[in-house]
Amino acid sequence: DSGVTQTPKHLITATGQRVTLRCSPRSGDLSVYWYQQSLDQGLQFLIQYYNGEERAKGNILERFSAQQFPDLHSELNLSSLELGDSALYFCASSVSGTGPYEQYFGPGTRLTVT
Amino acid sequence: AQSVTQLDSQVPVFEEAPVELRCNYSSSVSVYLFWYVQYPNQGLQLLLKYLSGSTLVKGINGFEAEFNKSQTSFHLRKPSVHISDTAEYFCAVYNTDKLIFGTGTRLQVFP
Repeated sequence: DSGVTQTPKHLITATGQRVTLRCSPRSGDLSVYWYQQSLDQGLQFLIQYYNGEERAKGNILERFSAQQFPDLHSELNLSSLELGDSALYFCASSVSGTGPYEQYFGPGTRLTVT
Repeated sequence: AQSVTQLDSQVPVFEEAPVELRCNYSSSVSVYLFWYVQYPNQGLQLLLKYLSGSTLVKGINGFEAEFNKSQTSFHLRKPSVHISDTAEYFCAVYNTDKLIFGTGTRLQVFP
């Protein structure tokens, strides 16, 4: 158990819908990262937040957005969902926002868009 | 931009045999490298990391990796695998606040 929690574990929704994925980092970690894992794209970095502020952005679509709240939990919002958004979404946390610190991964949310 | 290449998508091996999973990275002045393991239906778990210092890095579950600057490689090894090592293994490089992952190597251990 990494100490990172993600809810829900599974999500099935239809095209065009909007969903919210939730992540609680390990106690004491200030940084949250979101990754997408799909068969065709592999593991891709989406976005990072550090202590409430956006720190780095990767291959995140404009239909996707995220935020980190004062209690440090984070939400990833996916809207106008397409079939290709079906993937496993991981959240990871680390103690710092910069530097090669270990990232602890949650169990993931499996999103299926039908 | 930095990147890593995992040369083998699948590696089948018999139990108690040695295994090597290959990873090459794009050259850079400073490089920080990681190996993560993903067991079925689970998240990623850190096996080991190279930040600096000794080029032979020991990790959890009997795995080790060697950082080779001249070959730009960071291959993962285990002298004797178990059935329970069956999983997906990812090599990653740290690049400006994020991890860049390779495409993964599926290690399948047969009895």
